[in-house]
Amino acid sequence: SQTIHQWPATLVQPVGSPLSLECTVEGTSNPNLYWYRQAAGRGLQLLFYSVGIGQISSEVPQNLSASRPQDRQFILSSKKLLLSDSGFYLCAWSVQGNYEQYFGPGTRLTVT
Amino acid sequence: DQQVKQNSPSLSVQEGRISILNCDYTNSMFDYFLWYKKYPAEGPTFLISISSIKDKNEDGRFTVFLNKSAKHLSLHIVPSQPGDSAVYFCAASVSYDMRFGAGTRLTVKP
Repeated sequence: SQTIHQWPATLVQPVGSPLSLECTVEGTSNPNLYWYRQAAGRGLQLLFYSVGIGQISSEVPQNLSASRPQDRQFILSSKKLLLSDSGFYLCAWSVQGNYEQYFGPGTRLTVT
Repeated sequence: DQQVKQNSPSLSVQEGRISILNCDYTNSMFDYFLWYKKYPAEGPTFLISISSIKDKNEDGRFTVFLNKSAKHLSLHIVPSQPGDSAVYFCAASVSYDMRFGAGTRLTVKP
């Protein structure tokens, strides 16, 4: 069966510090991968998606970037965090050609 | 832009009764619709979905209805159970692009 991992579960970082969140998927090959952010009281906002290694599409211009160095690994990064980057970050995957997306446990990021 | 709206931030029902969660969308290009259930500090869990070529999909206690002319979908839970208490997100998709509503917090009282 497929499993998606995200770490860390929680993170507190000062403004201006770098960020690296990692997501890995097991039990499937060549998945579509996604990064979402949920701000307090809001729905999920798609940040990045990837259909293959090295292929990243950005949905919202912002202080974040994403990379996919391996087929089942997706990384969300920032060089300098802003207060507005605080939120709940979720990684998701889907089978190529299927609509259903399956989410990881999420990372709670607090920028202080 | 809010292409998917859940206008009720919360809903409270008695155990055993029906829960009806509603969702409206604006983009007629959406061709697939999903409902997710989310507990605090966890990722959303896929619940049920419906293609735009259908108007109803049923899975056990959960039924999703789609009214394309009204751009409206709803999730019915019958009978509601205390374990159903969670935040429910509706989502609408065209290809990879999935848009989520803000969620409705369902509380099922014993």
